Amino acid sequence: KTQVEQSPQSLVVRQGENCVLQCNYSVTPDNHLRWFKQDTGKGLVSLTVLVHENDKTSNGRYSATLDKDAKHSTLHITATLLDDTATYICVVGDRGSALGRLHFGAGTQLIVIP
Amino acid sequence: AQTIHQWPVAEIKAVGSPLSLGCTIKGKSSPNLYWYWQATGGTLQQLFYSITVGQVESVVQLNLSASRPKDDQFILSTEKLLLSHSGFYLCAWSPTDSGNTLYFGEGSRLIVV
Repeated sequence: KTQVEQSPQSLVVRQGENCVLQCNYSVTPDNHLRWFKQDTGKGLVSLTVLVHENDKTSNGRYSATLDKDAKHSTLHITATLLDDTATYICVVGDRGSALGRLHFGAGTQLIVIP
Repeated sequence: AQTIHQWPVAEIKAVGSPLSLGCTIKGKSSPNLYWYWQATGGTLQQLFYSITVGQVESVVQLNLSASRPKDDQFILSTEKLLLSHSGFYLCAWSPTDSGNTLYFGEGSRLIVV
C-alpha cells in the first residue's frame, strides 16, 4: 500500500505563476519529511526538510509546510522559472538515523512553459 | 566539500550478464551509504544501506547484492541480470550523526535487453 501520496500527478504552469504541490502520508512514526527536486534522468536535490509539528521552511522561491496531525505537507513554488521543470518528490522518514526507512512518493511532474 | 560520484553513468547489458555499479564519496569519513532503485516512471525504493565498512543491510533485494569494501566506496552488483533490473540506480550518503540529511549522486541508468 502506498504510504506517501502526492498530488497533482502532473502540473503545467506558465513562467512567473505560483504553484502548490501536495503530499499526504500515512507513515508512522513520521520523524521528518523532505522535498526533493529531480531533473529528468538526474539525481535528487534536496529542497527543504521539515521535522517538527507545524514546521514551516523557506528556501528562496520554495517554501513548505508540515502538519503532522493531518500527516500533510505542501510545497509552494513562487514566480516559477523554466528551470523549475522537474519532478518533485515528497519523502517521509520514520527515523532520524540510517536505520530508518525512507518512504518515497511517486512525485509531481511540474512543467513550466513560457 | 563532499562529493559523490557514481559510475557508470549509463549502461546497456544483456539478460544473464553480470553487473557492477559503483559509488564513491570524497571529503567525508564514515558516511552512511545507501542504494536506491527507480523503475522507469516509478517510485524510488531503498535497496541497501551501510553504516560502516564491511557491513551492509538489505531492505529490498531484487536479486542484487551490495558491498562496502572501503569507507568511501559502495558497490551494487549481481551475477545475472534480469529484465526487471532495468531502471535508474541512485547512491546517496548521509552524515553519521544525522539520518535526515541525504545527498544523492547523479545516478546510473541501466537498460537490460
